[in-house]
Amino acid sequence: EVQLLESGGGLAQPGGSLRLACVASRFTFSSYAMTWVRQAPGTGLEWVSTISGSGATYHAESVKGRFTISRDISKGTLYLQMDSLRAEDTAVYYCAKHTGDYYYYAMDAWGQGTTVTVSS
Amino acid sequence: DIQMTQSPSSLSASVGDRVTITCQASQDISKYLNWYQQKPGKAPKLLIYDASNLETGVPSRFSGSGSGTDFTFTISSLQPEDYGRYICQQCDILPCTFGGGTKVDIK
Repeated sequence: EVQLLESGGGLAQPGGSLRLACVASRFTFSSYAMTWVRQAPGTGLEWVSTISGSGATYHAESVKGRFTISRDISKGTLYLQMDSLRAEDTAVYYCAKHTGDYYYYAMDAWGQGTTVTVSS
Repeated sequence: DIQMTQSPSSLSASVGDRVTITCQASQDISKYLNWYQQKPGKAPKLLIYDASNLETGVPSRFSGSGSGTDFTFTISSLQPEDYGRYICQQCDILPCTFGGGTKVDIK
């Protein structure tokens, strides 16, 4: 069974940085697109960033220029570098695996989520 | 951005009831519509992909239909473990967008 384990969440000050990590196992990591989705308290799901199987990256307008998605295939790990954090970035962040190598495939496996709180 | 509008926003039904949820996209997304279930404090779980395909391991009481802009999700016979929020999602055109969800309670 596919496993995704996120880490790196915590408390950050406005303007600060955090790096989230998602360790993937039990599938060929480089063959699938991977995505970060967030959920602010009491709200719905919001797509953040995707990296395709070929390594192309896509970001939501709300995080473009501040967040960077990347991966280390040798480590089977997905990252989200979050800079210039704002209060509105406060959310639970999930990593998710797609069923194929591009963003338009469904997300069939999700991590447990890691909580990011941006506050002074 | 493509807006995904779900209705109803919540419902309460009895075990054995048939439950139907609709999702409307603000523009044509062909068949590229997925349905997820999310329970409180948990990650979403994929139930239906590409509008009508049942994810492996998901009970057959769950089904989906539709294409273009109008989609339907059905639970044919509601079970106690089916409580939670049901969420539609499109990723045909970036940014991927999610519906606001339908909260399902068991009477």
